[in-house]
Amino acid sequence: AQSVAQPEDQVNVAEGNPLTVKCTYSVSGNPYLFWYVQYPNRGLQFLLKYITGDNLVKGSYGFEAEFNKSQTSFHLKKPSALVSDSALYFCAVSGTDSNYQLIWGAGTKLIIKP
Amino acid sequence: EPEVTQTPSHQVTQMGQEVILRCVPISNHLYFYWYRQILGQKVEFLVSFYNNEISEKSEIFDDQFSVERPDGSNFTLKIRSTKLEDSAMYFCASSESRDNTGELFFGEGSRLTVL
Repeated sequence: AQSVAQPEDQVNVAEGNPLTVKCTYSVSGNPYLFWYVQYPNRGLQFLLKYITGDNLVKGSYGFEAEFNKSQTSFHLKKPSALVSDSALYFCAVSGTDSNYQLIWGAGTKLIIKP
Repeated sequence: EPEVTQTPSHQVTQMGQEVILRCVPISNHLYFYWYRQILGQKVEFLVSFYNNEISEKSEIFDDQFSVERPDGSNFTLKIRSTKLEDSAMYFCASSESRDNTGELFFGEGSRLTVL
């Protein structure tokens, strides 16, 4: 069965420090991996995706994520956090051997403190 | 920049009433989706729609739910007889492709409150 795990409900980071939001997955076939962000009272916005190729993918707002096949992980990272990065972050995955439905993680609340 | 729009932004209804949530997907997109997010919880897939028919649906999408594209631009979600547990934020999304290599574009959501 396909699944996505975001093991941390909340991550607290001081402004200017690097941040990591974790995601691990289980899928059939090769994974398609996505990160979306949800600001308060807003819809979800696409940040970045991994489909194939370079394991390090760069996305919007200075975020990047690294695909690690052996650890089945796709952690979201940013070298220097901003207060405005505070939001809810969702990891999502689908597999090439599965249907086209995206499976979503439970979300991680990222709080950046000044 | 093209965007997905949803109306209403917030609807309050009595249990047992019918509700229709409306979405206007991005004009050149061919695949449409409804997702639900109960307050503070994970995003849940409801249904996907392509070529005027349902492509996939989840266990949540039971006989109380229906979708249609009545006029080539709007994409609606109908809940026939609302229950308290239907209270949630409902997100519409659209995409160019079905193979999930592309991103989904989400609307701002419609908050449904069932009393």
